[in-house]
Amino acid sequence: QVQLVQSGAEVKKPGASVKVSCKASGYTFTGYYMHWVRQAPGQGLEWMGRINPNSGGTNYAQRFQGRVTMTRDTSISTAYMEMSRLRSDDTAVYYCARDRGSSSSLSLYYFDYWGQGTLVTVSS
Amino acid sequence: DIVMTQSPDSLAVSLGERATINCKSSPSVLYSSNNKNYLAWYQQKPGQPPKLLISWASTRESGVPDRFSGSGSGTDFTLTISSLQAEDVAVYFCLQYYSPPYTFGQGTKLEI
Repeated sequence: QVQLVQSGAEVKKPGASVKVSCKASGYTFTGYYMHWVRQAPGQGLEWMGRINPNSGGTNYAQRFQGRVTMTRDTSISTAYMEMSRLRSDDTAVYYCARDRGSSSSLSLYYFDYWGQGTLVTVSS
Repeated sequence: DIVMTQSPDSLAVSLGERATINCKSSPSVLYSSNNKNYLAWYQQKPGQPPKLLISWASTRESGVPDRFSGSGSGTDFTLTISSLQAEDVAVYFCLQYYSPPYTFGQGTKLEI
């Protein structure tokens, strides 16, 4: 069965960086895009970007351009999301979510499986 | 960016009654070349990640009870729970995947 297991909670100071991991199992990791979505406390969901685990190609939401980097390690079926220059309003639960469509497809699809979420707290 | 607006923000429904949640997109999320609406619905319970209920506006995910149904096309969509159960208490979100950046509705909190 498909599983996405994320790394544990983090506490960071403003201006620091954080790197969250998402280990995939139960399917061919390189076969599907991986997205990152965040949710501030009591708030809605915000798409951050996606990575093609096969090629390493990325697409980022404009508001995160220059501050977010998505990478992957295919040898351990793990995707990463690193955010720099953290601010207090980056405090949120960060989710990885698998795309339903193939990484070789040009079509867009929805997210079918989600990780359990990683709480990142930014506080001085 | 495509703006997704849900209504209402919160909703209280009695057990066994019908619940209706609306989602409006601006602009349309209907792709004319394949006549598909790029709209999904998710359910989120406290402390859990979202769970996919419906894709392509009306295709129920395997394992999702048939009391959940989706309808609509173009810019106006509806999620209906035909007979509310206690376990349906959650926040519901719509998602458009027609065009990046993917965008969600603000959520509708469903209570009994």
